[in-house]
Amino acid sequence: EPEVTQTPSHQVTQMGQEVILRCVPISNHLYFYWYRQILGQKVEFLVSFYNNEISEKSEIFDDQFSVERPDGSNFTLKIRSTKLEDSAMYFCASSPSGSSYEQYFGPGTRLTVT
Amino acid sequence: QKEVEQNSGPLSVPEGAIASLNCTYSDRGSQSFFWYRQYSGKSPELIMFIYSNGDKEDGRFTAQLNKASQYVSLLIRDSQPSDSATYLCAVTYYGNNRLAFGKGNQVVVIP
Repeated sequence: EPEVTQTPSHQVTQMGQEVILRCVPISNHLYFYWYRQILGQKVEFLVSFYNNEISEKSEIFDDQFSVERPDGSNFTLKIRSTKLEDSAMYFCASSPSGSSYEQYFGPGTRLTVT
Repeated sequence: QKEVEQNSGPLSVPEGAIASLNCTYSDRGSQSFFWYRQYSGKSPELIMFIYSNGDKEDGRFTAQLNKASQYVSLLIRDSQPSDSATYLCAVTYYGNNRLAFGKGNQVVVIP
C-alpha cells in the first residue's frame, strides 16, 4: 500500500540554524501539506501546496518557513532560522484532491532545537 | 475562530465493549469529517471519514454525523487492546483544505 515517507526521523539543530525536512508524498496525490504537533498539544496546520504553489497557509507559517517541490517526488519544508519553540513533530500529508478527500500522514520528523 | 472540541477525558473500556467518542465543531460551513487514530509518538492514522449526515460503518468502526447539531461521533465495537490510542477528530471547511484537529480523546482498552 502506498504511503507517505519522511526524512529524517529525528533532527537535532541549534537555535538559529536552518533545517530542511523532506517528504515523499503518495505518487498520484495532488495536494501536499505540512502539519506540526508540539508535545502534548493539538496537531496544527502549517501549509498546503497544490500545482507548485502554496494554496493556503496558517498564521504559524511566517517568513521563516518555506516549502518547495524541487522535483517530481519530493516536498520539502525549510525553516530558515530555528527557534526553541519550533521543537515539535512535523508531519507531511498528501491527498488525492482537495478538501473532500482524506489526507494521509507520513511518520513525522521530530525536530529538536537546542 | 473555528473550533473542534473533544472534551471528554480518558475513556477506559473493557475488552469487547463499545467505546463511544464525541466531537463538536463550531462552524456550520464544515464540509468533511475525519477520525484519526494516533498511537503515542506516532503519526495520525486515518480510520474513518464521513461527508453526509447519518451513519457510516467500516468494520468495527461507525462514524455518525449530525450537521444540524454540529457533532460527529465514533463508535468502536468489540474493543481490543490494540485500540488503545488517542483518537483525533478533524474537520475541513468549505473553501479550504486544511484539517482542523481537536485535541483528541485517549482510549484505554482493559483486557
